[in-house]
Amino acid sequence: GEDVEQSLFLSVREGDSSVINCTYTDSSSTYLYWYKQEPGAGLQLLTYIFSNMDMKQDQRLTVLLNKKDKHLSLRIADTQTGDSAIYFCAEKGRDDKIIFGKGTRLHILP
Amino acid sequence: DSGVTQTPKHLITATGQRVTLRCSPRSGDLSVYWYQQSLDQGLQFLIQYYNGEERAKGNILERFSAQQFPDLHSELNLSSLELGDSALYFCASSPRTGAGGNTIYFGEGSWLTVV
Repeated sequence: GEDVEQSLFLSVREGDSSVINCTYTDSSSTYLYWYKQEPGAGLQLLTYIFSNMDMKQDQRLTVLLNKKDKHLSLRIADTQTGDSAIYFCAEKGRDDKIIFGKGTRLHILP
Repeated sequence: DSGVTQTPKHLITATGQRVTLRCSPRSGDLSVYWYQQSLDQGLQFLIQYYNGEERAKGNILERFSAQQFPDLHSELNLSSLELGDSALYFCASSPRTGAGGNTIYFGEGSWLTVV
């Protein structure tokens, strides 16, 4: 079945770039997403990329997609304390199910 | 504010009981998704409805059921509750299904505690 994997934790110094990685198994994925969850809150859509794109940039966020390796990454430039959250990778297959990874907890070091 | 409304925000109930979680999607959105978030299982897809019809099914237990009404709001019914059902239940909505439905928006979730 479909599966989305991501590392559980990432620590980054304030001002550095954060790179959160994700792998997925469904080769028929149509869209891939990054969501952010702050403590006690719901999931906020950060960005998404269509499966025929390689890269998408939106201000401090850069998404890279390697469809051959089924690898997705999210780069956050100039990481700030407000970026501290759990980041979820998700993929949408042709059956419309949207499957999420377990989330990567990003911790910002001073 | 995503525009997706979930009620109740918090709920405490006893084992064996039944609860109903309610979701109002964003105005105009036809598709509703339900997810369960627990510490050990992460965010699990339960079920999706599109314009009143079940569209996709995930890891939803037989004790759980859902429906989407003509006004597009949705309810998730959880019965014979067990301690392990304690979790945060999210509803999400998107404008349409198929290749054009490219984003989903989440509500703030309903915290269920089973004691």
